[in-house]
Amino acid sequence: KAGVTQTPRYLIKTRGQQVTLSCSPISGHRSVSWYQQTPGQGLQFLFEYFSETQRNKGNFPGRFSGRQFSNSRSEMNVSTLELGDSALYLCASSEQATGTGGAEQYFGPGTRLTVT
Amino acid sequence: KNEVEQSPQNLTAQEGEFITINCSYSVGISALHWLQQHPGGGIVSLFMLSSGKKKHGRLIATINIQEKHSSLHITASHPRDSAVYICAVSFGNEKLTFGTGTRLTIIP
Repeated sequence: KAGVTQTPRYLIKTRGQQVTLSCSPISGHRSVSWYQQTPGQGLQFLFEYFSETQRNKGNFPGRFSGRQFSNSRSEMNVSTLELGDSALYLCASSEQATGTGGAEQYFGPGTRLTVT
Repeated sequence: KNEVEQSPQNLTAQEGEFITINCSYSVGISALHWLQQHPGGGIVSLFMLSSGKKKHGRLIATINIQEKHSSLHITASHPRDSAVYICAVSFGNEKLTFGTGTRLTIIP
């Protein structure tokens, strides 16, 4: 099976712009989670989607949003970009929703976003 | 507050040494994950545990539910084991909470 893919891999944006990142999960996986990784804060949970429904959301402002399509592909959007949004954005897919007895997460390679 | 603490933050060892990385958490969990991240960012899931012990090759992960503590062991360490190892737990609210990671460097 193909692994989790994320596009684009690298992105440079200017403050105030918006950005959309895409994640294609492993075939058959219905759960997609998004994470932000920065040197200062480490890995932080953004949100999780399961069967097109948002199950969980982390402590991020409303500028961060996401959605999941019927084929389980997911997108996340960040509006009005700030310098502090520069980070590695990772998505992970799993067969089950994360909390259901725990589910192994398969991570994508990430999208490195730089905001200037 | 749901917290995850890892130790040590940095670890340098000689090739062949036995490595132990520790993870402690504050309240009951549904699952604990050990992840490996190489330079460049890619993350690989090594183990998912809710009790007991798991082994995969030279890697062993244990968890003590009563003491709220897990360890990741690497036997016969090799330079290719050099990476950041991250502990992550799923608390009652189900989202993953991550430790700060342990940067492991194995010197040939």
